[in-house]
Amino acid sequence: GQQVMQIPQYQHVQEGEDFTTYCNSSTTLSNIQWYKQRPGGHPVFLIQLVKSGEVKKQKRLTFQFGEAKKNSSLHITATQTTDVGTYFCAGRTQGGSEKLVFGKGTKLTVNP
Amino acid sequence: GAVVSQHPSWVICKSGTSVKIECRSLDFQATTMFWYRQFPKQSLMLMATSNEGSKATYEQGVEKDKFLINHASLTLSTLTVTSAHPEDSSFYICSASPIIGQGAFGSYEQYFGPGTRLTVT
Repeated sequence: GQQVMQIPQYQHVQEGEDFTTYCNSSTTLSNIQWYKQRPGGHPVFLIQLVKSGEVKKQKRLTFQFGEAKKNSSLHITATQTTDVGTYFCAGRTQGGSEKLVFGKGTKLTVNP
Repeated sequence: GAVVSQHPSWVICKSGTSVKIECRSLDFQATTMFWYRQFPKQSLMLMATSNEGSKATYEQGVEKDKFLINHASLTLSTLTVTSAHPEDSSFYICSASPIIGQGAFGSYEQYFGPGTRLTVT
């Protein structure tokens, strides 16, 4: 079945440093979504990427969708303590399925 | 907007009993609701996809007779864990996907409930 790999599993940075998490799918995706889960909280939708090569920005967060629509990345510039949490990518296969396959997530900790 | 509630937030039950968990979309209508399990420090494992008025679609390895899902309306889905055993102890979390076009981002984003912690003794 479809698999979504996400690396790294953990990332610890100093406040102000940049952070990137990568997501790779075993199959071509129709779209990919990113979620953030704060410690003790539930996943919160961040963004959806649909087009090949798409790049979207939300303030310090930059999301990219690969040309082949099999990989994606989330980059945070100048991390802040409020960025801590686990970032999940979730891919939807082509064919109109509503199901999302989640990566295992990258847990980000930020040292002030 | 786009708030999803779950009830109860935590429950402790004895082995052999059944537990019902409710998932409600409070300010939007959901075409589809999803049920996940999340183990400590792990990712979300999709259990089933439920559409209003039709039978749920279960993922491979998930027992449909054990995890009964009812999606009675566009704002309510329930998960019943029947004859619960200690290995069923987990964090169950639902999400709801707005009817296409109603979501803030156009379509298919999922809004998650706060989760239900089930402990079976």
